[in-house]
Amino acid sequence: GAGVSQSPSNKVTEKGKDVELRCDPISGHTALYWYRQRLGQGLEFLIYFQGNSAPDKSGLPSDRFSAERTGESVSTLTIQRTQQEDSAVYLCASSDRAGGNEQFFGPGTRLTVL
Amino acid sequence: AQSVTQPDIHITVSEGASLELRCNYSYGATPYLFWYVQSPGQGLQLLLKYFSGDTLVQGIKGFEAEFKRSQSSFNLRKPSVHWSDAAEYFCAVDTTNTGFQKLVFGTGTRLLVSP
Repeated sequence: GAGVSQSPSNKVTEKGKDVELRCDPISGHTALYWYRQRLGQGLEFLIYFQGNSAPDKSGLPSDRFSAERTGESVSTLTIQRTQQEDSAVYLCASSDRAGGNEQFFGPGTRLTVL
Repeated sequence: AQSVTQPDIHITVSEGASLELRCNYSYGATPYLFWYVQSPGQGLQLLLKYFSGDTLVQGIKGFEAEFKRSQSSFNLRKPSVHWSDAAEYFCAVDTTNTGFQKLVFGTGTRLLVSP
């Protein structure tokens, strides 16, 4: 596609529910990243996928957070048993070596946990 | 731990005036440094990056940044601000220096442009 897309754009959920956020990277980009942006804060790195290598999960804040990516395509970020502190904008980015590894960001998913 | 500090939460600049946004980093070696802009309703866009070489880096939209090792700074500048520059600006550092950018971001500076 023309850019990184994310869905849904907005998600409101109740505390304790599970949510799934989707990211469609730019076609051909081998690397995919998830970040969290809390209100008034910078972006926090969550997880990084590179091709078929094991993902770098060092930024995931708890075991309630997980992410999957099939090959070099779509990724889903799952948050189980959501808490109010999970409310944030979740941003996805993708990159590739040919592009100098510049990360191209999607518009984000705004998650609100009531 | 590596960190990025943007000491100014908000800055207001008159249209046509010059701009400097401050960024300081904490990292043992020379990091890869970036400036991103986030406009309302839009994703982050890369303005410029520094990996090595000339310490004055030119970016898009007329922005430039200067890497100063002695001050651990990477300040963003623009000689003449336009109303369309109103946005949030983030400084970031890649501490892996592997080319795969595991970025640490500052908390951002919101730029307001007055007529």
